[in-house]
Amino acid sequence: DTGVSQDPRHKITKRGQNVTFRCDPISEHNRLYWYRQTLGQGPEFLTYFQNEAQLEKSRLLSDRFSAERPKGSFSTLEIQRTEQGDSAMYLCASSLRFSDQNEQFFGPGTRLTVL
Amino acid sequence: AQTVTQSQPEMSVQEAETVTLSCTYDTSESDYYLFWYKQPPSRQMILVIRQEAYKQQNATENRFSVNFQKAAKSFSLKISDSQLGDAAMYFCAYRSGNTGKLIFGQGTTLQVKP
Repeated sequence: DTGVSQDPRHKITKRGQNVTFRCDPISEHNRLYWYRQTLGQGPEFLTYFQNEAQLEKSRLLSDRFSAERPKGSFSTLEIQRTEQGDSAMYLCASSLRFSDQNEQFFGPGTRLTVL
Repeated sequence: AQTVTQSQPEMSVQEAETVTLSCTYDTSESDYYLFWYKQPPSRQMILVIRQEAYKQQNATENRFSVNFQKAAKSFSLKISDSQLGDAAMYFCAYRSGNTGKLIFGQGTTLQVKP
């Protein structure tokens, strides 16, 4: 069990560019979550998947944001036409539904800086 | 909508002493779960302790325990025998029983003084 991994760990981009982040959950976990965390604040929920189905999206997830989880394994989060306000840490977490543990395991995050 | 409030932006404790971090939440649901997560500087978030709302008994995990007051919607974390490695940002989080998403508080930065 290697835990949740995220790639890249850091991304610097210019305003208006598109960026894509990847998350690999713990292998047997069927739920995958995306959160956004700005400096000094708690994470805010963006969206989550159960297998390949996207079950819930936050209103924070504007039409510039899209997330996918093809085949129910890894997930990608794409931000189009980035804005300076998108600068944040993007966290991915995974969990096992039907587990009485109800624990979400977090990855190390991808820190996005939009210049 | 559910909300989670942590009213202490920063706390400090002397090594080996006990500290309590506060958390209140607002919900109209009866089925939910509460969590405390720890986020060390530049490291990933890890679960400290969890509490199911239907359980009356307060959860404990070694030096960590909670005081769950359901009627008051309060969920505080007590850290006993504080260690230098406990220094981190601590987040209180709420999860509804019928959804997977976590709702986090603003966090409390804990400093442990040697």
